[in-house]
Amino acid sequence: EVQLVESGGGLVQPGGSLRLSCAASGFTVSSNYMSWVRQAPGKGLDWVSVIYSGGSTYYADSVKGRFTISRDNSKNTVSLQMNSLRAEDTAVYYCARGVTPQHWGQGTLVTVSS
Amino acid sequence: DIMMTQTPLSLSVTPGQPASISCKSSQSLLHSDGKTYLYWYLQKPGQSPHLLIYEVSSRFSGVPDRFSGSGSGTDFTLKISRVEAEDVGVYYCMQGIHLPRTFGQGTKVEIK
Repeated sequence: EVQLVESGGGLVQPGGSLRLSCAASGFTVSSNYMSWVRQAPGKGLDWVSVIYSGGSTYYADSVKGRFTISRDNSKNTVSLQMNSLRAEDTAVYYCARGVTPQHWGQGTLVTVSS
Repeated sequence: DIMMTQTPLSLSVTPGQPASISCKSSQSLLHSDGKTYLYWYLQKPGQSPHLLIYEVSSRFSGVPDRFSGSGSGTDFTLKISRVEAEDVGVYYCMQGIHLPRTFGQGTKVEIK
């Protein structure tokens, strides 16, 4: 059974950093495309980033230069390093399998506020 | 970026009645490989989104056959033949032909 479990969310001040992690089971992260999608409170879905099986990465313009997606094949995890956080980055962050998400985690809430 | 526009933004449906949601893209979603990359997701209250329909009309694993997708090019439709109470939530279309992936605004479906 495919499972994705995100962790690492929390409250952070504007300009701060946070690292989200996604633990996958039931499949191998390194053989799949893995994405992050976020959802601001009461809003719709907003695609953030993808890492391809070959290692290439892509980002939404809104996070380019501030966020970095990576994976740890030994731990079967995907991470999202978020720097220079802004209030508008406040959202539930979902880890998903596929560049077109097929399976989603339960999400982790990131709140950027002073 | 490709813009996805859904209508209506909300829908109130009597159980057992049909429902239909429209999704229009600002560019054709027809790829040179012959496939059209339009997807539908449902986010039930308090849950993560889950995939309903891929490539316009193919139901994802476990999705009931009362859900169907149709369309081509830039115009697409999700239909629920007979709405059930468990179908409440927000439905999103998403284009899968270009990065960044983009979603429609969402259509909230509730039961009368």
